[in-house]
Amino acid sequence: EAGVVQSPRYKIIEKKQPVAFWCNPISGHNTLYWYRQNLGQGPELLIRYENEEAVDDSQLPKDRFSAERLKGVDSTLKIQPAELGDSAVYLCASSLVGTGYYGYTFGSGTRLTVV
Amino acid sequence: DQQVKQNSPSLSVQEGRISILNCDYTNSMFDYFLWYKKYPAEGPTFLISISSIKDKNEDGRFTVFLNKSAKHLSLHIVPSQPGDSAVYFCAASAVIGSQGNLIFGKGTKLSVKP
Repeated sequence: EAGVVQSPRYKIIEKKQPVAFWCNPISGHNTLYWYRQNLGQGPELLIRYENEEAVDDSQLPKDRFSAERLKGVDSTLKIQPAELGDSAVYLCASSLVGTGYYGYTFGSGTRLTVV
Repeated sequence: DQQVKQNSPSLSVQEGRISILNCDYTNSMFDYFLWYKKYPAEGPTFLISISSIKDKNEDGRFTVFLNKSAKHLSLHIVPSQPGDSAVYFCAASAVIGSQGNLIFGKGTKLSVKP
């Protein structure tokens, strides 16, 4: 089966510009996560969806970040406007059930560079 | 405050020898622990996990040990192979507190030399 698909793989933008990342989870996985991984750090959760509902967005910087999950399948993460500190790898993951017990399947990530 | 800590940023091991990667945690509510492996330009991939009701789980060359009293777990790779060279992340989960979300450590970069 296809894994978690993310696009684009790489993105370079100037600060203050908007940017969007797209994720297509594994078919049938109702839980979708967006993580951010800064250089030399582990992934940190930004937002978690159960179907189309955002059930945990406590770590999402809501002044500039937004996310949506249309029809409980694909998801888009947006940053507007981007800041230099947003440079990171943005990882999407999905799982069959809403806990970490069975592990998540991660996509390859989008590496964002803000200049 | 970091709840999952991997205090060794890197580890270098000779091929055929044992690799031991360590992880400490502070949240006593964690009840499930996982190790992920990450190659450059790829997402993390699940490697092995352990429930808090166990103290050992083995899968081929990989064994995870859990010491709940010390809030410590370790990943043993025997024998180590050059293809094991990657960044290894320890992650923990709890139904209460983190809502089942995975909390990751900073990772340890393992280099296995031929």
